[in-house]
Amino acid sequence: DIQLTQSPPFLSASVGDKVSITCRASQAIGTYLAWYQQKPGTAPKVLLYGASKLETGVPSRFSGSGSGTEFTLTITSLQPEDFATYYCQQLNTYPVIFGQGTRLEIK
Amino acid sequence: QVQLQQWGAGLLRPSETLSLTCAVHGASFNGYYWSWIRQSPGKGLEWIGEIHHSGTTNYNPSLKGVFTISVDPPKNQFSLRLDSVTAADTAVYYCAREYYYDQSASYFDSWGQGSLVTVSS
Repeated sequence: DIQLTQSPPFLSASVGDKVSITCRASQAIGTYLAWYQQKPGTAPKVLLYGASKLETGVPSRFSGSGSGTEFTLTITSLQPEDFATYYCQQLNTYPVIFGQGTRLEIK
Repeated sequence: QVQLQQWGAGLLRPSETLSLTCAVHGASFNGYYWSWIRQSPGKGLEWIGEIHHSGTTNYNPSLKGVFTISVDPPKNQFSLRLDSVTAADTAVYYCAREYYYDQSASYFDSWGQGSLVTVSS
């Protein structure tokens, strides 16, 4: 099975900051990766798919890059509503696998 | 706008059966794969398996075949069953739709509200 490793597991930042989260795959997956945001008590929400394609309605301060085994989610100019947990997911092989999550907290 | 509404028993004793159902509103049920995903307290996301409206299923092999997913297309519903639960099955269970953006890749674009299932004696 493909394994996804996110780093860092925890991230502390301030409103207005730019942050990046990395997701590394144990084998090459092309651009078959999605990013989700989850707030406490709610279901995850997709932000990006295909590594860099922004889901409809998601603010443009979210962006994704990468291919093969290394991917990055970048959030520019953090807003208060962005403090949440972020997960990556590989998209085209079974079983479906998620990264272990990165918790973004307010500094 | 697709909406997924899920329900089922929230408190179970060990060895009882977990049964959850997810109803799809506002969009076609046909042509999609529908998944169940769980999240243990304070943990990450674990994919359980999926079902196509035709009845084709795929399961996470790490869960050793203990779950059963079924579908009822006329009702636009699909269900999850787990016989003989243990405390390790305590989790929030989500249903979700898989959206194929190309021929071989999909992501979860719509989710149910989540169902907390607690297993305790």
